[in-house]
Formats: sequence, C-alpha cells, structure tokens
Amino acid sequence: AQTVTQSQPEMSVQEAETVTLSCTYDTSESNYYLFWYKQPPSRQMILVIRQEAYKQQNATENRFSVNFQKAAKSFSLKISDSQLGDTAMYFCAFTGTYKYIFGTGTRLKVLA
Amino acid sequence: NAGVMQNPRHLVRRRGQEARLRCSPMKGHSHVYWYRQLPEEGLKFMVYLQKENIIDESGMPKERFSAEFPKEGPSILRIQQVVRGDSAAYFCASSPNTGSSYNEQFFGPGTRLTVL
Repeated sequence: AQTVTQSQPEMSVQEAETVTLSCTYDTSESNYYLFWYKQPPSRQMILVIRQEAYKQQNATENRFSVNFQKAAKSFSLKISDSQLGDTAMYFCAFTGTYKYIFGTGTRLKVLA
Repeated sequence: NAGVMQNPRHLVRRRGQEARLRCSPMKGHSHVYWYRQLPEEGLKFMVYLQKENIIDESGMPKERFSAEFPKEGPSILRIQQVVRGDSAAYFCASSPNTGSSYNEQFFGPGTRLTVL
C-alpha cells in the first residue's frame, strides 16, 4: 500500500528564520510525483511545490525548496526567510497516476 | 480561466437529510476527483470520474454516497441520510486529459458540510 507519513504534527519558527518540514512515503512504483500543499484557514489547497521522481534535481520555488532523497523515500520541505503569511497547515502528497495520497499534515506557526 | 468551482461553500444539514455538493471543473478539463477531509486529517480520495463514467470509486463509502459527472453540467457528490460522521470538508479537483499516465489535479475551494 502507498502511504505518506508526516511525523511533525506542529512546528513553529521565528519570522525570517528557516524551517524544515519532514515527509516520508512508501511505494513500489518507479515513477511518481510528490507535492507540498499549503492549507491556510480558508481551507483552500494551494500547491507550494512539485517534484517528479525521475528528476534528480531538487525542486525550488522562491523561498521554498525540497530535499528529495529517492532511495530513503524522503521528501522534506524547507522554507527560508519565513513570513507570517506562511502560517498554515502543510500537507505532503504523493501520486503514481491519479489518486493523490496525503499525509496528516504539519501545522506551522510563524512567530513575530 | 476560472479555477475549479464548488458550491455551496458551506452546507448545513440535519441528520437524515440529503446533501448535494456540486463541482464545476476548469474549462477544458474532463476528469473530476472528489476527496474528503475529516477534521484534523489529510484529504482522502473518494472517487474519480470522467464524463458519464465512474472510473474508480474505491474510496467511496459503500452506502449512502454516490457521484456523477453528466455530459452536461457539474459533477455532483450526493450523500443520502447524512449522519454526524459525514461532517467534513469535501474537495473536488479536476485535470485535463493529456493522454499521459499523470494529469495534474487542480483543487477547488472545498465545501464544508456540517451535520447537526
């Protein structure tokens, strides 16, 4: 079975600091996609970053970057220069074809 | 290009009533997916539909839940005889048909269902 595990239910970080959110997954598929989604209080699912498993290079989107370790099945999200607007739930997700599998989320609070 | 639209955004039902949730996919998208998010949990896959076809309903509860995506009009997720445990946020996503094994899904804003 495919699973996604986020072991940090809650985290906090000081404004302007860097924080890393952890995610591990399990799959037997060789080609797949990994995502980080942000869910603010509005509950809208906002795509933060996407990684294609066959690409060696870690994805980067402005202040957001990932550390993708395929052999270890690890996919962590690093947020640099944290901003108050980054406060939200963050979900790691996996898909091999069409079914997205989500982790249970990490609640991130950015402190002023 | 408008995103995925869901209505209503909030729906309150009493136990035993029916809930109908609507999803209009993005223009040009022919695939629709429904996910459910229970409180303090991640989204869980329910069903995958193409126009007039249910492709995968492995995540749908066996009773009271049904989904359709007619040739014309929005996709509908229908919950009959709702119970308190159905209270959740229901998300719809849509994707284009690119012919590849992976089609990126775009999520709607969700419908929050509260059962009293």
